[in-house]
Amino acid sequence: DAKTTQPPSMDCAEGRAANLPCNHSTISGNEYVYWYRQIHSQGPQYIIHGLKNNETNEMASLIITEDRKSSTLILPHATLRDTAVYYCIATLYMLTFGGGTRLMVKP
Amino acid sequence: SAVISQKPSRDICQRGTSLTIQCQVDSQVTMMFWYRQQPGQSLTLIATANQGSEATYESGFVIDKFPISRPNLTFSTLTVSNMSPEDSSIYLCSVEGGQNNEKLFFGSGTQLSVL
Repeated sequence: DAKTTQPPSMDCAEGRAANLPCNHSTISGNEYVYWYRQIHSQGPQYIIHGLKNNETNEMASLIITEDRKSSTLILPHATLRDTAVYYCIATLYMLTFGGGTRLMVKP
Repeated sequence: SAVISQKPSRDICQRGTSLTIQCQVDSQVTMMFWYRQQPGQSLTLIATANQGSEATYESGFVIDKFPISRPNLTFSTLTVSNMSPEDSSIYLCSVEGGQNNEKLFFGSGTQLSVL
């Protein structure tokens, strides 16, 4: 898996968009970018993944730069329930979890 | 999505004893994965368990300490043997899922405290 770098923590106001950045400058051509989140006392939850095109689902949007060296996870309208640790992983198969970003959504 | 049940959800154990954690999935899966999450840390893969073969362990984890069983396609166990306080962690079971097995689904974990 390629190494990923994420800010250790971020705050976001409830109702606003949360934009979580991830750097994966050593990603190889066939490695996907995955995002998972872990709410306190629960197992990680899959959010979204992509190879090079931007992706959107019911939970979030994933924006991958053209050179694929970085990406941004967007939660369009953050709620208090989105408070969690968000993990960005660049991988072909096995998931290696880094430190993640602790997102705190505040009222 | 796969529904994963782990038992026990938490336990407090004495040093030197062993604990077996069970993972039950509501559908047949080829590969099951066991992770450890130490306090305040991220997840670390312990081993991959395929039905009918011995588990494949990651660097730093050995079968004598973490024996794994995989008797069928819906069930696996992880045993934490001869426990010490350093084994206090959350242990998580996960399985592949999605249309192309491109996602991992996780159980809610077993919170283990060793005194």
